[in-house]
Amino acid sequence: EVQLVESGGGLVKPGGSLRLSCAASGFAFSSYTMNWVRQAPGKGLEWVSSISSSSNYIYYTDSLKGRFTISRDNAKNSLYLQMNSLRAEDTAVYYCARVPCSGGTCPLDYWGQGTLVTVSS
Amino acid sequence: QSVLTQPPSASGTPGQRVTISCSGSSSNIGSKSVNWYQQVPGTAPKLLIYSNNQRPSGVPDRFSGPKSGTSASLAISGLQSEDEADYYCATWDDSLNGWVFGGGTKLTVV
Repeated sequence: EVQLVESGGGLVKPGGSLRLSCAASGFAFSSYTMNWVRQAPGKGLEWVSSISSSSNYIYYTDSLKGRFTISRDNAKNSLYLQMNSLRAEDTAVYYCARVPCSGGTCPLDYWGQGTLVTVSS
Repeated sequence: QSVLTQPPSASGTPGQRVTISCSGSSSNIGSKSVNWYQQVPGTAPKLLIYSNNQRPSGVPDRFSGPKSGTSASLAISGLQSEDEADYYCATWDDSLNGWVFGGGTKLTVV
């Protein structure tokens, strides 16, 4: 069974940092492109970042302006999101999601249950 | 402002057929496959339709997803109370090098 389990969310002050993790199981993690997608309270889905299977291709949504860094450890079947200089508008549930191939040919087919990040003083 | 445009709400009665539209551009829907997600509030999105009109295992054939040019639609026939949820269209955008989503449509079964 495919499982994606996010962790690391919580309450952080504006300007602070947080590192999210996503533990994968039930599939060949090293063969999949992985993504972070977020959803602000009461709002729609927003793609955050994507990393290819070997970390050769990494993309971010333009609005992040270099504050977030995506990475992965295929030996540990884990995906990460380092978030720095956090702002109130980063408050959201953060989901990790896998894609069987790159370039948009395949869908984001499995999603984790999400972890809530709250940025507030 | 979402890259893909969806109506914010839709409604129907049990047994009825409803459609939800999704409009994009040549760099996304016009050149890539469209996927649809169902999200019950408080839960993670679930893949409903992929590659424009394919259904993952377990998704009933009441759901279908035609695409034409730079627009796509999600059609739900034989509407049921459990279909009440938020629905999102999504695709890859070659200009942005990222996934883009519609703003979501809240479906109410009255």
